[in-house]
Amino acid sequence: GENVEQHPSTLSVQEGDSAVIKCTYSDSASNYFPWYKQELGKRPQLIIDIRSNVGEKKDQRIAVTLNKTAKHFSLHITETQPEDSAVYFCAASKGLTGGGNKLTFGTGTQLKVEL
Amino acid sequence: KAGVTQTPRYLIKTRGQQVTLSCSPISGHRSVSWYQQTPGQGLQFLFEYFSETQRNKGNFPGRFSGRQFSNSRSEMNVSTLELGDSALYLCASSLEREEAFFGQGTRLTVV
Repeated sequence: GENVEQHPSTLSVQEGDSAVIKCTYSDSASNYFPWYKQELGKRPQLIIDIRSNVGEKKDQRIAVTLNKTAKHFSLHITETQPEDSAVYFCAASKGLTGGGNKLTFGTGTQLKVEL
Repeated sequence: KAGVTQTPRYLIKTRGQQVTLSCSPISGHRSVSWYQQTPGQGLQFLFEYFSETQRNKGNFPGRFSGRQFSNSRSEMNVSTLELGDSALYLCASSLEREEAFFGQGTRLTVV
């Protein structure tokens, strides 16, 4: 089955700096890659996603890149703010080609933005 | 538009008992997936229901089961509870594929 690895497990940055979280997946049939942010005691919230027919997607300070050949995808957060502090999860699924909504998650990255 | 609603929010059960958790998806969403979240294992997929049929299943023992009703509401049942079943159980709803939105979760503690 699919396996998703996520690095780093913890990331500490200064306010205003950029943060990058990287994931790799094992199943070349995966075609949908969402990122979730989970604050302490709250639900995971979808912050951005990318499909396999796209190499990059941006939404304000957040961007995601996908390299299908290398089976890598990354989350980039620019101009980090204290409210960006949370655990971030990457995930992969084959949902676009009838694989349903089975998400395989990475192990999470604890991002801390320091003042 | 109301979000995904899970009940109850908290549960304490004794080993050997069984438990039923409920999930009401976003109106119009036909897919409901269940996940177990623990500090050690992270977020793990349990199963997915779409239009009352189980569409996907994760690698959990048969003690974990689920079902979906005609109004897309879903229930998850765990029988013969073990201490290791203590976790946050999350459900997620989707229109059909992609873009899964999570509920607040049910925190299950087995003592």
